[in-house]
Amino acid sequence: DTGVSQDPRHKITKRGQNVTFRCDPISEHNRLYWYRQTLGQGPEFLTYFQNEAQLEKSRLLSDRFSAERPKGSFSTLEIQRTEQGDSAMYLCASSSISGAYQETQYFGPGTRLLVL
Amino acid sequence: DQQVKQNSPSLSVQEGRISILNCDYTNSMFDYFLWYKKYPAEGPTFLISISSIKDKNEDGRFTVFLNKSAKHLSLHIVPSQPGDSAVYFCAVSSGTYKYIFGTGTRLKVLA
Repeated sequence: DTGVSQDPRHKITKRGQNVTFRCDPISEHNRLYWYRQTLGQGPEFLTYFQNEAQLEKSRLLSDRFSAERPKGSFSTLEIQRTEQGDSAMYLCASSSISGAYQETQYFGPGTRLLVL
Repeated sequence: DQQVKQNSPSLSVQEGRISILNCDYTNSMFDYFLWYKKYPAEGPTFLISISSIKDKNEDGRFTVFLNKSAKHLSLHIVPSQPGDSAVYFCAVSSGTYKYIFGTGTRLKVLA
């Protein structure tokens, strides 16, 4: 059973550096989502792809954040010029277009980012 | 303004008893409701969901109840087991993407 995988699991960086995270969704899933979770909060939606098209971006996703899904399979999330406020758990989820109106999103283990 | 609230940050229950976790939402347009369980340093794990056309859904020890008029969702776990100790998040959706999560309830099942 290959669920959603994320790499790296942990990242420590200095303020001002760029970081990139990777997400590999469940293989037959064509929707992919990024969320961010900070301490004491639930996950917050960042952005969403259907195949390779990025269909929605949250206002939480500042200009320093960019996400791609070039071939409709894995996705990357890059943060440029990191700030201490970017420290959080970054979660990826995927779901399948089943024809049903409602789909269930399955989450990866997350990448925990600490910006010093 | 929080659209989804879990007002109990923590809950302790004796092993074998029922655990009841609650969630309130504000928007009547939400039509899909889910519960996730999260262990430390792991991503959320899907537990159970319910559509707005139903008021109850059961899966083994887990039952989700939906009261649309009260805009209230609850998760019942019976019997509770020590392995159920985790943080539980409710999530709501009005479409097929962009879940909105509550802040979580930490459940501790005491042996």
